[in-house]
Amino acid sequence: AQTVTQSQPEMSVQEAETVTLSCTYDTSESDYYLFWYKQPPSRQMILVIRQEAYKQQNATENRFSVNFQKAAKSFSLKISDSQLGDAAMYFCAYRDNQFYFGTGTSLTVIP
Amino acid sequence: KAGVTQTPRYLIKTRGQQVTLSCSPISGHRSVSWYQQTPGQGLQFLFEYFSETQRNKGNFPGRFSGRQFSNSRSEMNVSTLELGDSALYLCASSLRLNNYGYTFGSGTRLTVV
Repeated sequence: AQTVTQSQPEMSVQEAETVTLSCTYDTSESDYYLFWYKQPPSRQMILVIRQEAYKQQNATENRFSVNFQKAAKSFSLKISDSQLGDAAMYFCAYRDNQFYFGTGTSLTVIP
Repeated sequence: KAGVTQTPRYLIKTRGQQVTLSCSPISGHRSVSWYQQTPGQGLQFLFEYFSETQRNKGNFPGRFSGRQFSNSRSEMNVSTLELGDSALYLCASSLRLNNYGYTFGSGTRLTVV
């Protein structure tokens, strides 16, 4: 079965600084999608960024970017110029015909 | 456009009862999937519906069931509630199956006492 591992239960970053959240996954599939979702206290899972496995170019969305290493099965999220509103639980997710989620990283942004 | 709407937001039920949760997808979305989120098990896939048919199912007992209506709205039912069923239940909708554009709702917080 596919598994997603987030080895950092908690992370903190100073406002305006950069932080990287780690994620590794295990699969034998070649065609899949990878995602980072943010879950604030409002509970809604908000899509941060997504990556198609067949694309070698790393996805970027404004201050959010990923480092996708397909051979290493690694998918880290970099948040640049961190803002107070970035504080939330972040989930890495893999999808082929269903989502598989990691256990989450709680990000604290320090003013 | 309106997002994914889940009702109710909160629910308290007694052990042994049954419960029905509702999910209204984004207009035009035909795929609805359900997830259970608990502190111990994290986020786990329950099932996915597309065009009123269950297309995929996770590893949950038969007490967990669902259905999808012709307007794509979906309901999830849990019978004979157990304390361990206390969780946040999230649904997500997408235009079609295996599409990466999934949007999640804010969930229903179920507490079983």
